[in-house]
Amino acid sequence: DAGVIQSPRHEVTEMGQEVTLRCKPISGHDYLFWYRQTMMRGLELLIYFNNNVPIDDSGMPEDRFSAKMPNASFSTLKIQPSEPRDSAVYFCASRPRESWGTEAFFGQGTRLTVV
Amino acid sequence: DQQVKQNSPSLSVQEGRISILNCDYTNSMFDYFLWYKKYPAEGPTFLISISSIKDKNEDGRFTVFLNKSAKHLSLHIVPSQPGDSAVYFCAANVNYGGSQGNLIFGKGTKLSVKP
Repeated sequence: DAGVIQSPRHEVTEMGQEVTLRCKPISGHDYLFWYRQTMMRGLELLIYFNNNVPIDDSGMPEDRFSAKMPNASFSTLKIQPSEPRDSAVYFCASRPRESWGTEAFFGQGTRLTVV
Repeated sequence: DQQVKQNSPSLSVQEGRISILNCDYTNSMFDYFLWYKKYPAEGPTFLISISSIKDKNEDGRFTVFLNKSAKHLSLHIVPSQPGDSAVYFCAANVNYGGSQGNLIFGKGTKLSVKP
């Protein structure tokens, strides 16, 4: 397996524009996570899914953020409208069904810059 | 409120010496802990883990210690090498309620190993 695949690797956009980040989890993994890394907050959980169903979205900053998982092999994180304070590295991770005793596997991240 | 805390944002160690990274947690329901390492421009990668029923787990130069009564764990790297320079994240596994499968991360500690 190629691991967790995120696209794009880098995104530069203007304030007010819509941004869509994409993630392909490892095949067979039931859990999918979206994290955001910033200097101030470290690695914070935005939302996670189990079997394509959102379980906890309490970390989503505000209504401008939305995430979907239409099938087991694809997820999106959308920001509309984007703001400069959304600039960060966004990571997607997946984890096997038997989560206890296993680790989450991370993608390489998407570096988002909103100007 | 942070449930997993890494109170040292950075640590500098001489090559060949021991590196000790610390992590505290507040929830006694956490049953499994993980350490991740992150290099710049890459996603976090799993390093080592420990079950809450153990107090020590060793893998080569890396050893994790767990003190459940103090709700404290530490990662020891002996001997430290320049290639160990990275950000280290501590994470706790959630295995209760409706949040099974979730991992809660600390903010990370940046380790610098000087030649």
